[in-house]
Amino acid sequence: KAGVTQTPRYLIKTRGQQVTLSCSPISGHRSVSWYQQTPGQGLQFLFEYFSETQRNKGNFPGRFSGRQFSNSRSEMNVSTLELGDSALYLCASSLRQRLDTQYFGPGTRLTVL
Amino acid sequence: GEDVEQSLFLSVREGDSSVINCTYTDSSSTYLYWYKQEPGAGLQLLTYIFSNMDMKQDQRLTVLLNKKDKHLSLRIADTQTGDSAIYFCAERERDNFNKFYFGSGTKLNVKP
Repeated sequence: KAGVTQTPRYLIKTRGQQVTLSCSPISGHRSVSWYQQTPGQGLQFLFEYFSETQRNKGNFPGRFSGRQFSNSRSEMNVSTLELGDSALYLCASSLRQRLDTQYFGPGTRLTVL
Repeated sequence: GEDVEQSLFLSVREGDSSVINCTYTDSSSTYLYWYKQEPGAGLQLLTYIFSNMDMKQDQRLTVLLNKKDKHLSLRIADTQTGDSAIYFCAERERDNFNKFYFGSGTKLNVKP
């Protein structure tokens, strides 16, 4: 079974631009969660989508948004990029059941110049 | 949100045992996890423990949970250079299947 895939793996943008990151979950998984990883803040939960609906949200500004499609693939968008948005963005998928766990993708490394 | 704390660094010699510690604050957590992250890679699930268990063993890995002290540890027996990575503990909210709180990670350095 293929794992979680994320595209692109690396991205360089400038301040003020916007960016869209993509995540394809493991086949059969309907929940997709997004995390931001930075050296200073560690791993922080952004949001979770299940059945095309946002189910959970972390403490991030409205510039960070996401969506999920009917095939469970998810996209994350960051508008008006700031230097502090430079991070590794990780996506995780799961079945979303009580005895379930999350499986992470390799991440997208975003650098904002 | 919940606080999950880990020491930042651990250095051991190849063949020794490594013990990585974690403390958490949410006493209602149902599951606690250990993930491994190698340079340039995402997180790899190593093991997890249900909150009503005290110990779980999986090959070279032993997880100990002290619910009273809210302390979780991961012991790696016969540590190898390939075990060098950052190890994260994480807790999952009781009533929220997919809301996880991660520690800052412990960087394990294994010297040959």
